[in-house]
Amino acid sequence: QKEVEQNSGPLSVPEGAIASLNCTYSDRGSQSFFWYRQYSGKSPELIMFIYSNGDKEDGRFTAQLNKASQYVSLLIRDSQPSDSATYLCAVKGGGTSYGKLTFGQGTILTVHP
Amino acid sequence: SAVISQKPSRDICQRGTSLTIQCQVDSQVTMMFWYRQQPGQSLTLIATANQGSEATYESGFVIDKFPISRPNLTFSTLTVSNMSPEDSSIYLCSVEDRRNYGYTFGSGTRLTVV
Repeated sequence: QKEVEQNSGPLSVPEGAIASLNCTYSDRGSQSFFWYRQYSGKSPELIMFIYSNGDKEDGRFTAQLNKASQYVSLLIRDSQPSDSATYLCAVKGGGTSYGKLTFGQGTILTVHP
Repeated sequence: SAVISQKPSRDICQRGTSLTIQCQVDSQVTMMFWYRQQPGQSLTLIATANQGSEATYESGFVIDKFPISRPNLTFSTLTVSNMSPEDSSIYLCSVEDRRNYGYTFGSGTRLTVV
């Protein structure tokens, strides 16, 4: 059973702080890794993807991948109340699971003013 | 990114009936994916729909309960058959978007079975 685990929430941070979201995965054949944001009542929207070890930055968001440790994280700098949402880690499988996304259980983030 | 039109956005259905959900994509895609999101839960893949072949179902999901059609490269339907209250969920379709290397989701169908 391929699994994706996210750090338990909910996570609450003050406005302007850094929010750190973590995710581990079990399938070493996984190819690509995605972070989605889902507002209540809405469908998931892609924030970032990463497929190489290291860091990838896009504005206030930084994704980090460590394939040896099977670990991927998302940092949100200068957190804003509008960042309050559920964040979903998703892993794209390889081999017979090619193209399929497996999602973590999600982490609820609240940014308070 | 790809644009997906999903219908209906919500429905309330009687137990024992069936509901068909439609997804239309603005570009041709090889694979379309159908997910279920139960209340307060994450997304679970139901099946992968390929044009010209039978859909591939994940463990715990069967074709008799969730028949899928994929008549062309821009359209797919998912039917939730013989519904029970346990089928009350949000159902989402998704495609791999080659333009942004991510997966785009439809707006979802919120199904309530009474």
